[in-house]
Amino acid sequence: DIVLTQSPATLSVTPGESVSLSCRASQGISTSIHWYQQKSNESPRLLIKFASQSISGIPSRFSGSGSGTDFTLSINRVESEDFSVYYCQQSYSLPNTFGAGTKLELK
Amino acid sequence: EVKLVESGGGLVQPGRSLKLSCAASGFNFNDYWMGWVRQAPGKGLEWIGEINKDSSTINYTPSLKDKFTISRDNAQNTLYLQMSKLGSEDTAIYYCARAPGLRVPYYFDYWGQGVMVTVSS
Repeated sequence: DIVLTQSPATLSVTPGESVSLSCRASQGISTSIHWYQQKSNESPRLLIKFASQSISGIPSRFSGSGSGTDFTLSINRVESEDFSVYYCQQSYSLPNTFGAGTKLELK
Repeated sequence: EVKLVESGGGLVQPGRSLKLSCAASGFNFNDYWMGWVRQAPGKGLEWIGEINKDSSTINYTPSLKDKFTISRDNAQNTLYLQMSKLGSEDTAIYYCARAPGLRVPYYFDYWGQGVMVTVSS
């Protein structure tokens, strides 16, 4: 199985800061990575598909980049509603797998 | 509006079986792969498996392949997850989700609200 390692596990920031969340794959997966946001007690929400493709309805401050094994989710100027857990997921090979998540919390 | 509503969860004894349902509406169910994801309390997301439009292809995560069965009824716009030989490690919120894709699904663009399954004596 492909292992996705997300770092850091927790990121403490103040609103207005810009942040980068990392997702590293155990082998090359082209751009077959997708990002989700999960707020407390809610279902996950798709943020970015195929590493960098935007999703309708998602604020433009969210962006993604990377290919191969290293991927980044960037949030430009974090807002209060962004404090959540973020997961990456790979669809390069079966079984699809998720990373363990990065919790973005208020400093 | 796309809507996915899971049901069938609850408290179940170890070793028993349980079948979850996911009622879909607001889109043409026949045109989409569908999948299941679970989340143990306080933990991350775990991909369970997926089923294609006509049920001819079903993929599972290997560790659950012998315990869980995914099926669908396109006439009823409903996705199912049959779970057997349940253990405490299966205690989790179970989500159904829609997966766009022609030959292969890639990501989940809509998720249900989830249903809790608790395995305990």
